[in-house]
Amino acid sequence: EVQLVESGGGLVQPGGSLRLSCAASGFTFSDFWMTWVRQTPGRGLEWVATIKPDGSEKYYVDSLKGRFTISRDNAKNSLYLQMNSLSAEDTALYYCARSLLAVTSYWGQGTLVTVSS
Amino acid sequence: QSVLTQPPSASGTPGQRVTIPCSGSSSNIGRKTVQWYQQLPGTAPKLLIYNNDQRPSGVPDRISGSKSGTSASLAISGLQSEDEADYYCVGWDDSLNAVVFGGGTKLTVL
Repeated sequence: EVQLVESGGGLVQPGGSLRLSCAASGFTFSDFWMTWVRQTPGRGLEWVATIKPDGSEKYYVDSLKGRFTISRDNAKNSLYLQMNSLSAEDTALYYCARSLLAVTSYWGQGTLVTVSS
Repeated sequence: QSVLTQPPSASGTPGQRVTIPCSGSSSNIGRKTVQWYQQLPGTAPKLLIYNNDQRPSGVPDRISGSKSGTSASLAISGLQSEDEADYYCVGWDDSLNAVVFGGGTKLTVL
């Protein structure tokens, strides 16, 4: 059974950092493009970043370039999102997703990030 | 403001056919495929349509997708109460080198 389990969310102060993780199981992780998507009530779904199966290519939404870094460890079947210089606007539910634009799409249940003092 | 444009809301009565449009441009819908996601309250999005008009296994055939030029649409016929959800179109934009989502349409079954 395919599973994607996000972790690492929580309460962080403005200006702080967090590293989100996504543990994958039930499929050959190294075969798939992986993506982070976030969701806030006021802004719907927002694409954050995508990484190629071998990690050699990474794509980011322009507004987050330089602050967020996507990475993966295929040996550990894990996807990561390093988030720096966080602000209240980064408060959201963060989803890890496999193959966002293909029939093999699968999403985790999300991890909540709250940026507040 | 989303790159792909959807109406914020749509509604229909049980049994009716409802269409949700998604408008883009030549750099996204005009040259790339469109996917549609359904998000039920409190759950993660679920893929309904891929490659403009293809249904993953398990998605009923009363749900269909189409694309023409720089616009796409999702149609749900035989509307049921369980279809009440948020629907999002999504694709790739060649100019932005980015995934682009529509703003989402909240479907209400009256």
